[in-house]
Amino acid sequence: GAVVSQHPSRVICKSGTSVKIECRSLDFQATTMFWYRQFPKQSLMLMATSNEGSKATYEQGVEKDKFLINHASLTLSTLTVTSAHPEDSSFYICSAPGGTGDADTQYFGPGTRLTVL
Amino acid sequence: GQNIDQPTEMTATEGAIVQINCTYQTSGFNGLFWYQQHAGEAPTFLSYNVLDGLEEKGRFSSFLSRSKGYSYLLLKELQMKDSASYLCAPLDSNYQLIWGAGTKLIIKP
Repeated sequence: GAVVSQHPSRVICKSGTSVKIECRSLDFQATTMFWYRQFPKQSLMLMATSNEGSKATYEQGVEKDKFLINHASLTLSTLTVTSAHPEDSSFYICSAPGGTGDADTQYFGPGTRLTVL
Repeated sequence: GQNIDQPTEMTATEGAIVQINCTYQTSGFNGLFWYQQHAGEAPTFLSYNVLDGLEEKGRFSSFLSRSKGYSYLLLKELQMKDSASYLCAPLDSNYQLIWGAGTKLIIKP
């Protein structure tokens, strides 16, 4: 089946620094990828839709200058949390639709746990 | 390796009860999530089990057996709006989510 990976799996950083999270589709191409954020025991909150070769589409209330998204290739999207603060500490998850013959299925990455001190 | 197994698709009748099973093999275990996802929308949190047993929350209940690597989601009094995909996702020892492919539930009148 289709596999989506994320790197790093866990990151701890100091307040004010920037952190880059990678999302890769390992065995399929994805023109679109989705970035989510999850707080404990809450639903995944869609942050933005990453589009290969064009600008990302951000959900209302998500600061595009703070959460920079780059979809550089058909298998890689990156989320950069700029000038991170403790309130940005969360679980960030990406997903990509498709895979072999199934465009309706979303494949999720394992998540990246960000802790900002 | 890590593996999640849940049925690809299930069909049930409005007003009935349906049980969606999930078996898992993970490197360590830190609880298991169930999500509901309607087409084109983000997954919605349904439950989180970390101890064995049944947790009931309205029409939805979730069961966990850690020794068997088994969980199920029980949906009662099915409504048409319950037609969705249901995702089983345990947390491994690194608190990484291991996602199942999801079970597409079709509700018929």
